[in-house]
Amino acid sequence: QSALTQPASVSGSPGQSITISCIGTSSDVGSYDLVSWYQQHPGKAPKLMIYEVNERPSGVSNRFSGSKSGNTASLTISGLQAEDEADYYCCSYAGSRSYVVFGGGTKLTVL
Amino acid sequence: EVQLLGSGGGLVQPGGSLRISCTASGFTFNTYAMSWVRQAPGRGLEWVSGISGSGTNTYYAGSVKGRFTISRDNSENTLFLQMNSLRGEDTAVYYCAKGRDSDSSGSYGMDVWGQGTTVTVSS
Repeated sequence: QSALTQPASVSGSPGQSITISCIGTSSDVGSYDLVSWYQQHPGKAPKLMIYEVNERPSGVSNRFSGSKSGNTASLTISGLQAEDEADYYCCSYAGSRSYVVFGGGTKLTVL
Repeated sequence: EVQLLGSGGGLVQPGGSLRISCTASGFTFNTYAMSWVRQAPGRGLEWVSGISGSGTNTYYAGSVKGRFTISRDNSENTLFLQMNSLRGEDTAVYYCAKGRDSDSSGSYGMDVWGQGTTVTVSS
């Protein structure tokens, strides 16, 4: 069982927007603005898409955005494209006992 | 080009030991924290360990604390993970990842990842 809770799967049609939730607790997501999101295509290494809740690394499309409210973080992908089909993982700092925790991952299907 | 190249994975018996490595290039290695993240077959990502750029501070997940040791050789731009008392549940692809800062467990984001090295624990 993962520390952060994500939906197992989400889907959307090309051009639509989708949001993936990441539910934590007051010990991790709720206490620190240190939530990141990773995209992983099958057989590939993860790729950083969002860091510090809503910051995008250079080179990541502005169709990807992050937010947080209370103990829940969210990743929104707008204008869905076929290449967005992948697994997405949220990640949060969890203090000096657990350090870093991941969500269980969400499989995004572009219909 | 910024790159991480993992190596040293393989098959090891339960209770055995293995050391995996990750060689960095294309950035000033000693100024960035590094982490190991693993992924068991068909499962999600699990953070394993992190180390500061200087090597002074180390961090471990509870599942590996006392069995795994993270270290780095900044003169050789190489990150290590010494794994002892290995168990079946340690079977996974192990990724090394570069932190965005100099001293964290990867919590500020891990922006460069290696290709992964496979560790299989089985008799």
